[in-house]
Amino acid sequence: QQQVKQSPQSLIVQKGGISIINCAYENTAFDYFPWYQQFPGKGPALLIAIRPDVSEKKEGRFTISFNKSAKQFSLHIMDSQPGDSATYFCAASKGGATNKLIFGTGTLLAVQP
Amino acid sequence: DVKVTQSSRYLVKRTGEKVFLECVQDMDHENMFWYRQDPGLGLRLIYFSYDVKMKEKGDIPEGYSVSREKKERFSLILESASTNQTSMYLCASSRTVLNTEAFFGQGTRLTVV
Repeated sequence: QQQVKQSPQSLIVQKGGISIINCAYENTAFDYFPWYQQFPGKGPALLIAIRPDVSEKKEGRFTISFNKSAKQFSLHIMDSQPGDSATYFCAASKGGATNKLIFGTGTLLAVQP
Repeated sequence: DVKVTQSSRYLVKRTGEKVFLECVQDMDHENMFWYRQDPGLGLRLIYFSYDVKMKEKGDIPEGYSVSREKKERFSLILESASTNQTSMYLCASSRTVLNTEAFFGQGTRLTVV
């Protein structure tokens, strides 16, 4: 049972375009929603994160949109660059100091020059 | 610079062997995690530890065990390796602070033949 559903599985975007990756969750106890970015041969690294008390968070070209009632959140990458080509994972956790993350299945993003 | 180090990048083992994957972090983090990464399945939690000698099962603990004798070191043990345990294994650590970043190692690509 996939607690965090992520789509699409892969995405091709032209340089300068907008990349959009979507995630949905079931458990309303989740209260922290990070996105991790993974380059080939590397471990995932935190990109941006949001809590459900806000509907949007922006850091540079990266924005998380959060819809609590729909139990959905998405990552938008504005002005996508070839250097953004990576695998992106959404995740969720339900509080507590153990910070146990439940990950989505990942999206392989390719930004074409 | 924070660091999570996994002892091997690539490992080839035979079916039935006992396999040890080692992970060391230098950030004095209380929490440590072992994930397994497979295409289309994302990252799935095998085990985590929130203190020395303390451990909890994750979502897919079958066939695995762990050991944490020192705060900085977390070992994943495959008691009797099987071909379906061929995968990328990722270790991570985090502080015991609500909604904090998890830091990942570079991963160990294990092939069981």
